This record gives sequence, structure tokens and C-alpha cells, in this order.
Amino acid sequence: ETGVTQTPRHLVMGMTNKKSLKCEQHLGHNAMYWYKQSAKKPLELMFVYNFKEQTENNSVPSRFSPECPNSSHLFLHLHTLQPEDSALYLCASSQPKRGHEQFFGPGTRLTVL
Amino acid sequence: EDQVTQSPEALRLQEGESSSLNCSYTVSGLRGLFWYRQDPGKGPEFLFTLYSAGEEKEKERLKATLTKKESFLHITAPKPEDSATYLCAASGGGADGLTFGKGTHLIIQP
Repeated sequence: ETGVTQTPRHLVMGMTNKKSLKCEQHLGHNAMYWYKQSAKKPLELMFVYNFKEQTENNSVPSRFSPECPNSSHLFLHLHTLQPEDSALYLCASSQPKRGHEQFFGPGTRLTVL
Repeated sequence: EDQVTQSPEALRLQEGESSSLNCSYTVSGLRGLFWYRQDPGKGPEFLFTLYSAGEEKEKERLKATLTKKESFLHITAPKPEDSATYLCAASGGGADGLTFGKGTHLIIQP
């Protein structure tokens, strides 16, 4: 595997389900990010991790819970989501210093029924 | 608050017809200006990073330039495979993540 991988690629869940998104980077980076991409909106930053520590939470509702066990893996735990949470969820990684380009995974297309 | 605005929202060109995409930004302490390409159903693909006004970078038919308020992505003699959404993003001093524009949806007709 190379670059940034995400699983699953597609996910359909009910409002009462609990599910997790997984991201893995093979680039030797130490910063990882979650972004949300909705139709007609710019990518929205959700969470930032530097060296496994969360450094940014962009006012994300608590029904989204991130976890970063090491610098290569990032999870997004989902519970009691709303239909408006349906979107493409993108993971990215970079060197930790600001100004470095971020490399994105293919995304998970989430549909909440 | 950092802001990035892209124009036009959509652009349709004939194959070989050159044009430019615009990205205007308001960012405190710009650390980098980035261009990405995104194909339908895929994640953004990194194209360029620009750090200071006057800087230019090229890759095949694409050239990115930067001023103190704007960046341009020039497309020379485009081909149908250049059809995609082009995203502009900025990294500022206030946050670790990137601030993105809504993108320009580019269609190149054969």
C-alpha cells in the first residue's frame, strides 16, 4: 500500500448505529487530519493530530469522536448521526509544520438514513 | 477568519483553449498556498505549493502563480483529461489545517 488509504469506501448507516472510519498513511508523516466534504461547500477541517496529540477540534459535534493510536493510523468513530452528516469524509497527512502540503486519501462516502 | 474564494465556479472550454482559474485569499500570516485537482468520487490530488508573492510553478499544461492577494492556475492548450474540479487552499498562521475554496469545476470538450 502506498500513500493514504481509507476504509470503508462507502458506508450506509442508520441514525442509531455506531460505526468507525479508518485511515492509514504510508508516507512517514506525523500529522493527520479529518475533513468533511459536502455538496456545494468547501472542504471543512474537523480534527488535527500532531504526533498522536489532538491539536485542533473545529467545533465538531460530539457524535464524531476521533482517535489516533499512532502517527500512521487515524479513526473517526460515529454514533447517533443525523442525515445532514451524510458527506464524503477525507483523511489527510502531512509533515507537522504549517505550510507543508497535505496528501489525501480517497475518502469514505457516508450516507445516514 | 481566513477565507479563500475561487472563481469561476464552473468553466467549459474547447480542447486547446487556454484559460485561467482565480483564487483570492484573506489569510493572516500565509504559510503556503496550495492547488489540488479532484476527480469525481476521489480525494484531492496535490498539484502545487506556492510560498511567496512572485513565485511560479509549472507541471505539464498547468502553471500556478501567486501575488499578495491572489493565485492563478493557468491552463495552456487543455485536453479532455484535464477535466476535473480544481481546489485552492491556504495555510495560515492561526490553524494547522487548510482553508479551502469551493473549487472550479472545469470541463474540456473535445
